[in-house]
Amino acid sequence: GAGVSQSPSNKVTEKGKDVELRCDPISGHTALYWYRQSLGQGLEFLIYFQGNSAPDKSGLPSDRFSAERTGGSVSTLTIQRTQQEDSAVYLCASSLVAGGTTDTQYFGPGTRLTVL
Amino acid sequence: AQKITQTQPGMFVQEKEAVTLDCTYDTSDPSYGLFWYKQPSSGEMIFLIYQGSYDQQNATEGRYSLNFQKARKSANLVISASQLGDSAMYFCAMRYYGNQFYFGTGTSLTVIP
Repeated sequence: GAGVSQSPSNKVTEKGKDVELRCDPISGHTALYWYRQSLGQGLEFLIYFQGNSAPDKSGLPSDRFSAERTGGSVSTLTIQRTQQEDSAVYLCASSLVAGGTTDTQYFGPGTRLTVL
Repeated sequence: AQKITQTQPGMFVQEKEAVTLDCTYDTSDPSYGLFWYKQPSSGEMIFLIYQGSYDQQNATEGRYSLNFQKARKSANLVISASQLGDSAMYFCAMRYYGNQFYFGTGTSLTVIP
């Protein structure tokens, strides 16, 4: 029973470059979430996928951020033209279903992004 | 509007003692869920305990218990018999019907040997 996995664990990039972060949710989990956590801060919601429904993109901070989820499983978060303020830990979580108050999210280990 | 409030940025506790981490929330929805997560220095968020708004009894999971006071809208986490491995950030979160979890800003707990 593998948990949520994320890759890479660390990513260092230069300002202006594009980066892709990958999340592999728990098998059978239909809901997938991306969060951003800046140093010493709480979690900032970015985007949410549920099955084949249109994703909830309400948390994406700018149009440089996008995400997709292929085949209802693996998700990729893409940040274009990275800026230094994008430096943070990007956390992915999945849950079995979505919309219910009992639905627990299980998190991956995160990707630490550093933009130089 | 702030939905989850954790007023203790940092807490210290002696090993083997109990500690309470505070969490208050704000919602007008009668149906919601409350969660506590632990985030050690490794960075991974670990689910600890869940309390539903309609649950009659306080949730317990091993050394973790949730002191749920619905009228006060508080959901404090109690850790009994603290261990050195309990040193971490602790986040309170709330979910009601919908897509998002709302997280507090966290409490840093340090267990002193």
